[in-house]
Amino acid sequence: EAQVTQNPRYLITVTGKKLTVTCSQNMNHEYMSWYRQDPGLGLRQIYYSMNVEVTDKGDVPEGYKVSRKEKRNFPLILESPSPNQTSLYFCASSQRSSYNSPLHFGNGTRLTVT
Amino acid sequence: QKEVEQDPGPLSVPEGAIVSLNCTYSNSAFQYFMWYRQYSRKGPELLMYTYSSGNKEDGRFTAQVDKSSKYISLFIRDSQPSDSATYLCAMNNGNTGKLIFGQGTTLQVKP
Repeated sequence: EAQVTQNPRYLITVTGKKLTVTCSQNMNHEYMSWYRQDPGLGLRQIYYSMNVEVTDKGDVPEGYKVSRKEKRNFPLILESPSPNQTSLYFCASSQRSSYNSPLHFGNGTRLTVT
Repeated sequence: QKEVEQDPGPLSVPEGAIVSLNCTYSNSAFQYFMWYRQYSRKGPELLMYTYSSGNKEDGRFTAQVDKSSKYISLFIRDSQPSDSATYLCAMNNGNTGKLIFGQGTTLQVKP
C-alpha cells in the first residue's frame, strides 16, 4: 500500500532533550516536506526537499533540522526542543513539487514539550 | 498580514445545502491553487487543483480562481454529512517547493 509513515504518532518530552521524528515513503517520490499544524495558524511549512541531498527552508525552520540522505526517508530533528514547538507535525511527499502532483500526507505526530 | 487568509469557521449547514468556501491571498506570483480536505485525526488529502484563473468541476465539487481579485473558492453541491471536515486552500508560485496553506475552514453538514 502506497503510504507515508511517520513515527511516533504521539511523543511527550522535556525541554532540551533532542528528538527525531521519522518519515518514510514507499512511492519513490522526489519531493518531501514537513509541516506543523497549530490552531488558528493552519499548516506551516518547516523544511522541504526537492530530491536527495537537496533541502530548503520553509516558512518556520527555526529550531528544526532535516536531512535527506535517501530518497525514501526525511527525518525531522529537534536538537533542543522548547514548549513553543508543541504541535501536530505532518510529513508529506509527492512525485514532484508542481501543482498537479498531489501531496500524500502521513497521519501526523502529536508532540508535547514540557 | 498573512499571505493566504481563510475564515476558520466553523460553518454548519443542513444536508443538501450548497457550501461556499473561500480564500484570499496577497502574492500575485501564485499560479497553482489547491484544496485539501482533512478529516479528524488524519492528514490532509488533495481534493482539487487549478492553474491560473478559471473554473474546474469534479462531481459535486467546483473550484474557482479569480486572479484579478486574488480570490479562490470551493463550492460543494448537495452537501453530505460525509463532507464534514476541515478544508484547506493551498498555493504555490510554481518556481519553488514552498506551498502556502490557509488556516482551514471547519465544515459540519448536519443530517
